[in-house]
Amino acid sequence: AQSVTQPDARVTVSEGASLQLRCKYSYSGTPYLFWYVQYPRQGLQLLLKYYSGDPVVQGVNGFEAEFSKSNSSFHLRKASVHWSDSAVYFCALSASSGTYQRFGTGTKLQVVP
Amino acid sequence: GGIITQTPKFLIGQEGQKLTLKCQQNFNHDTMYWYRQDSGKGLRLIYYSITENDLQKGDLSEGYDASREKKSSFSLTVTSAQKNEMAVFLCASSFRGSSYEQYFGPGTRLTVL
Repeated sequence: AQSVTQPDARVTVSEGASLQLRCKYSYSGTPYLFWYVQYPRQGLQLLLKYYSGDPVVQGVNGFEAEFSKSNSSFHLRKASVHWSDSAVYFCALSASSGTYQRFGTGTKLQVVP
Repeated sequence: GGIITQTPKFLIGQEGQKLTLKCQQNFNHDTMYWYRQDSGKGLRLIYYSITENDLQKGDLSEGYDASREKKSSFSLTVTSAQKNEMAVFLCASSFRGSSYEQYFGPGTRLTVL
């Protein structure tokens, strides 16, 4: 069975501070992993994805994520957040031969002045 | 680029009513998805379709029907709306399987009175 856990429902950080959003997955094979962002009243948009190779993947707007097979994790990071990063962030997992992605419950990020 | 259009944006119905949500995509994607988004519960897959006239049940298919009569469109029917049901329904599409990123529509917000 596949599952994704995002343990933090809400995260608040100050503008300019660094950010880490946590994602843990459960899957016996090699996963395909994704981070999506949802701005208010919009659908989800892809931030970045990991298929294989370098465990650190770069995404849009300065986001990056690191895959760890030993920790079953795919945490999202940003060095310096901006108020416009306030949104809900979803981690998702797919089996290599799967037909659908399984999503976590999301983390709502609030960036304060 | 392409776009996913969902209609209507807001849907208000009565308890027991049959309600239909529509989704159109012009990416020429093979696979389309319907998700239900409830606060704090992330995205739950209702139905997906890997090609025209194909339908596959997701985790939350009970109480819903779906239809994929054309490659570009995917409809979802709430067979009997439940009172106090409030959720956002998101449509998405992707190129073939789940290892590809999904593109999302802006959602239909359902309220049942």
